[in-house]
Amino acid sequence: EAGVTQFPSHSVIEKGQTVTLRCDPISGHDNLYWYRRVMGKEIKFLLHFVKESKQDESGMPNNRFLAERTGGTYSTLKVQPAELEDSGVYFCASSVLRASGGYTFGSGTRLTVV
Amino acid sequence: DAKTTQPNSMESNEEEPVHLPCNHSTISGTDYIHWYRQLPSQGPEYVIHGLTSNVNNRMASLAIAEDRKSSTLILHRATLRDAAVYYCILRDVKETSGSRLTFGEGTQLTVNP
Repeated sequence: EAGVTQFPSHSVIEKGQTVTLRCDPISGHDNLYWYRRVMGKEIKFLLHFVKESKQDESGMPNNRFLAERTGGTYSTLKVQPAELEDSGVYFCASSVLRASGGYTFGSGTRLTVV
Repeated sequence: DAKTTQPNSMESNEEEPVHLPCNHSTISGTDYIHWYRQLPSQGPEYVIHGLTSNVNNRMASLAIAEDRKSSTLILHRATLRDAAVYYCILRDVKETSGSRLTFGEGTQLTVNP
């Protein structure tokens, strides 16, 4: 089966610009998660979708970040306007809708804000 | 989230077994023990998980202490491709629709040829 796909793999933008990251989960996976690692820090949870609904968005750092999952398939994460501290690697993961079991992660999008 | 403690780094030789320890003394009865690993320039990769009994899959084995306060990930024959950061993570099974993973710093495994 196809894995979790993230696009783009790299993005370099100027401070103040807008960037949209996309995640295509594994088909049939109702759970979709966004995580990120900023320089020198641990991987941190951002938010969790169950189908098209936001189950938990407590990890979103501020209102410059907007995540959507229209139709319960792919998801986008928009950063507007981007700041220098938003630089890092953004990971998406998906899983089936059950309590146990592992998540499948994408390879991530490396975002650099200059 | 319950906390786990892992050594910062470990070394192994190729084709030898590797035992990666994890302490989770505050684990609750509904926490699954999950292991992920992250190879350079890739996203985290699921390795194995368990609740109480030892588990085996094609990638590794998971040995869980009887009191569940510690566990050990076992790679039976390390290869150079196993060099990665290994994360031990607790997931609450009460969250029936899925739950976040809380990553720590993990253990950086170096495999020597």
